[in-house]
Amino acid sequence: DQQVKQNSPSLSVQEGRISILNCDYTNSMFDYFLWYKKYPAEGPTFLISISSIKDKNEDGRFTVFLNKSAKHLSLHIVPSQPGDSAVYFCAASALNAGKSTFGDGTTLTVKP
Amino acid sequence: GAGVSQSPSNKVTEKGKDVELRCDPISGHTALYWYRQSLGQGLEFLIYFQGNSAPDKSGLPSDRFSAERTGGSVSTLTIQRTQQEDSAVYLCASRNNGGMREQYFGPGTRLTVT
Repeated sequence: DQQVKQNSPSLSVQEGRISILNCDYTNSMFDYFLWYKKYPAEGPTFLISISSIKDKNEDGRFTVFLNKSAKHLSLHIVPSQPGDSAVYFCAASALNAGKSTFGDGTTLTVKP
Repeated sequence: GAGVSQSPSNKVTEKGKDVELRCDPISGHTALYWYRQSLGQGLEFLIYFQGNSAPDKSGLPSDRFSAERTGGSVSTLTIQRTQQEDSAVYLCASRNNGGMREQYFGPGTRLTVT
């Protein structure tokens, strides 16, 4: 049973437009959500996070939205840049659980 | 400061051989994680160390896999009698216990079993 799902394996957008990456989860005990970005041959790097007490967190071009009732979160990138092309992983953790559960990732391609 | 480092960066081994993969976490980070990423797949959790507590081994796929963390710092992941399906990128991450829960990943070790 996959507790964190990224249903879109890939997404392609034009430079300057908005990229929206989606993530769904099933475990209601998750209280903290993170997005990571991964370039080929590198380890993932932390991008942005959100606590379950919030519904939005913004950092520059990146905004994460959390809909707890729907158990859904999304990452918005505006405007998208070619350098944003990477694999994006959604992750979730429960209080005091220590470890995070990762989705399978979405490959974003931003075309110039 | 120095990030998480892993060695070797690449390892090619013959089926049936044992391999050891090393992870040096960020100094002072109390939590250390091992993940595996097979081709085209997501991150598969393997094992988690937190301070002096017993490690969470719930993700280890078989008893051929083991890991230890000496002195609360360096960790070694050992795979005995490697199989071709063990071929993957093995990622290590560390995390500070306080504050945010983000993990800092190393560059990974690409293991190829021939």
